[in-house]
Amino acid sequence: GAVVSQHPSWVICKSGTSVKIECRSLDFQATTMFWYRQFPKQSLMLMATSNEGSKATYEQGVEKDKFLINHASLTLSTLTVTSAHPEDSSFYICSARRSWDRFSGANVLTFGAGSRLTVL
Amino acid sequence: EDKVVQSPLSLVVHEGDTVTLNCSYEVTNFRSLLWYKQEKKAPTFLFMLTSSGIEKKSGRLSSILDKKELFSILNITATQTGDSAVYLCAVGEQTGANNLFFGTGTRLTVIP
Repeated sequence: GAVVSQHPSWVICKSGTSVKIECRSLDFQATTMFWYRQFPKQSLMLMATSNEGSKATYEQGVEKDKFLINHASLTLSTLTVTSAHPEDSSFYICSARRSWDRFSGANVLTFGAGSRLTVL
Repeated sequence: EDKVVQSPLSLVVHEGDTVTLNCSYEVTNFRSLLWYKQEKKAPTFLFMLTSSGIEKKSGRLSSILDKKELFSILNITATQTGDSAVYLCAVGEQTGANNLFFGTGTRLTVIP
């Protein structure tokens, strides 16, 4: 159980275009999802926390108008990179916390397989 | 500022060797420490530690937490080439946001 699907796994786009990445929890409901960015040989850097039915909470230094996050249902969060530029090229990973872990206090996250974005 | 530091950054060993990976942290309102294994893509969960001195074990992998000294170790015995990966340490807070702070990882390479 606890599978998170992320799509697409690989995308190449031209500079100035927008790209949408989807993160789905397949067999559980996720009230909270997290979006990370990972550069080569570096760790995961949290970009934003996505809460179902409310606005995302962005980490300091992350442009909310550039990285649009929508969490419209309990099983889907999307990250849209708007007007992408080559410096946005990176590996983007989402993770989800199962909704029933909220009261137990357990914060084990299930990760998607990641999406590699290359902006030409 | 919250910080999770892992050492060594990189490690190369021969099959059969035993390795110890280190993770130290400075996090406000500590709740738990987690270890993940990242191969080519998504990190996969290994252990979650919340109490000091209690060893978690899964096959050849084991981990323990010291909340007084603020560190954890991950041991891998009788290493195999399939253990080659980046091992990430993450620390969770006692907040509703349930965020995890990740270390930069230790890249383990096991050669035959």
